[in-house]
Formats: sequence, C-alpha cells, structure tokens
Amino acid sequence: QQPVQSPQAVILREGEDAVINCSSSKALYSVHWYRQKHGEAPVFLMILLKGGEQKGHEKISASFNEKKQQSSLYLTASQLSYSGTYFCGTERGLSGAGSYQLTFGKGTKLSVIP
Amino acid sequence: DAGITQSPRHKVTETGTPVTLRCHQTENHRYMYWYRQDPGHGLRLIHYSYGVKDTDKGEVSDGYSVSRSKTEDFLLTLESATSSQTSVYFCAISEQDSYYGYTFGSGTRLTVV
Repeated sequence: QQPVQSPQAVILREGEDAVINCSSSKALYSVHWYRQKHGEAPVFLMILLKGGEQKGHEKISASFNEKKQQSSLYLTASQLSYSGTYFCGTERGLSGAGSYQLTFGKGTKLSVIP
Repeated sequence: DAGITQSPRHKVTETGTPVTLRCHQTENHRYMYWYRQDPGHGLRLIHYSYGVKDTDKGEVSDGYSVSRSKTEDFLLTLESATSSQTSVYFCAISEQDSYYGYTFGSGTRLTVV
C-alpha cells in the first residue's frame, strides 16, 4: 500500500522553508527520500532507519516518527536548485530486518521561484 | 561512469508485440528492481531480484516477466504489449544494506500504439 504524501504540490520563493510529509498505515523499517527533476531519474537524498536519529544533508533534513509511521522532509532557506518532485519510499520490516522493497508515494512537486 | 544503464532509452512498439528492456549494472549490487512511473501514480514496483535467478513479483507484475541470468543484467519482458503499458520504466540497484539508497537508471520511455 502506497504511503500518502502531502502536500501534492507547493510553490516557494527563494529563501522560504517547506515541509513535506509521508505517512504509512504499515509498520516501517526505513523511510527513504528522493528528488526527481523533470526528465531525469530519481536521486537518493537520505534514509531514516527505525530506531535511528534525524538525518541532515546541508539545508535538507528529515525525521521519522516510528509510532505514527510518519516521516517529514524539511527544506530550509530554499534555493532554485531544490525544485523538483520529492518522493518518499517506505520499507516494511520483516523479523527485525528490512524487506528490501521500497513502496513509493505519489510525490510532492516543489517549485522554487525567484 | 554510470554504474547502471538502461536500454533502449526510447521505444515505440505495436500492441501485441513482445518487448524486452535491459538493465545493466557495473556495481556488483545484489538487488535490482524494475519500476514504472505514470502521472498521478508515482513509482510502482513491477518485479525485483535478490540474486542470480532469484526474482519476485511487485505490486503491478501482471503482463510482465523478468530474468536475471548474470549479476549485472536484469531483463524486463512485456509478453504482449498493451496500451496500458505505455510508461517510463526505471531500473534501480541496491546493495545488501540499503543504507546508501537506490541508484536509478536513466529510464526507458515506452510507447505502445
């Protein structure tokens, strides 16, 4: 079952912040975040593991609430290069390990304008 | 220096014909995946492989088959192409532990007319 992402789309001016949410109805082992620019392949941003800590990558960070099966991606002081579609990918757990399959949300289209 | 390549990049085929897409990796990763991407649906898993000759179905596997006879190659076959299989197909690879995420190929745009 696909995780639910919100919002579906967001428009930001340069320097503004945004939060993208990802929610699953299943118990999760990990959550991945990817960014895809138009006409290109998705690119891995970060992974959050069950029991792990919040990750960060420059001005992009994420958190994982295991109890709620939710993850959020935080983009601060957005830049034009942040534009693209962001996908979360969720991995279910099997006997304490991952299932090695990602189920992706439908994506959040982020547009950063000058 | 791409560690994963897909071929062909674009293909137009007629309804009812068989089509094979190829994914080739030079990273020696154990896991390989085929996804399709359609507007409004995101990426959906078709099939995946966890080793040579070891494959399993994903959520949208009907009408597709796969084969992996070598670590580096993962083939996706549309047995009898239909218009509903018009899509962009992405191959992805992953190490034993997915801590480094998936690496996606550049995609194959398939049009079935």
